[in-house]
Amino acid sequence: SQQGEEDPQALSIQEGENATMNCSYKTSINNLQWYRQNSGRGLVHLILIRSNEREKHSGRLRVTLDTSKKSSSLLITASRAADTASYFCATLTGTASKLTFGTGTRLQVTL
Amino acid sequence: NAGVTQTPKFRVLKTGQSMTLLCAQDMNHEYMYWYRQDPGMGLRLIHYSVGEGTTAKGEVPDGYNVSRLKKQNFLLGLESAAPSQTSVYFCASSSQVAAEAFFGQGTRLTVV
Repeated sequence: SQQGEEDPQALSIQEGENATMNCSYKTSINNLQWYRQNSGRGLVHLILIRSNEREKHSGRLRVTLDTSKKSSSLLITASRAADTASYFCATLTGTASKLTFGTGTRLQVTL
Repeated sequence: NAGVTQTPKFRVLKTGQSMTLLCAQDMNHEYMYWYRQDPGMGLRLIHYSVGEGTTAKGEVPDGYNVSRLKKQNFLLGLESAAPSQTSVYFCASSSQVAAEAFFGQGTRLTVV
């Protein structure tokens, strides 16, 4: 089974609204990363948060991490149609050096 | 700067045929990964490498083999393709275990 699972699986919002996606994982981590994938393309890195950090910002992105609950959230503020994509969380686990991904959230931003 | 390049981009195989997918990166990265992406399953790690000459199994290694003879290349082999291996395959690399991963554009493989 996969390390991470995103919630919701799909999200549809209007332009200008905020989008929140959640990620839950199973084992202890070194860091957690969020990636974006446009249809038919490779993944692009968005933001990384380390296990000793609780919140991080990058432009319109805000990521939180709660290691006690083994969960993270990605907030995209003031969404745009160009934000339409799938978003994945990825966790890096300790000594295994494995970068494993969740199942993803499909975000649709409409005008 | 090409980044991560995957070859080929598309391929159709018959059941039982073999093939090799090539991943090349020009960023001098130590870590390289092979994933497969299926609808509703996200990305699943097949094999990965933490340096030249090293390989390790991921979540779904069965039916695949890999080699990392040169630092810049990571090869994924299918010895006897099966329809269950129909998928989109992605290669990724990173400079160190804690850093962001850079992805190729994917290889769409169909096994009939």
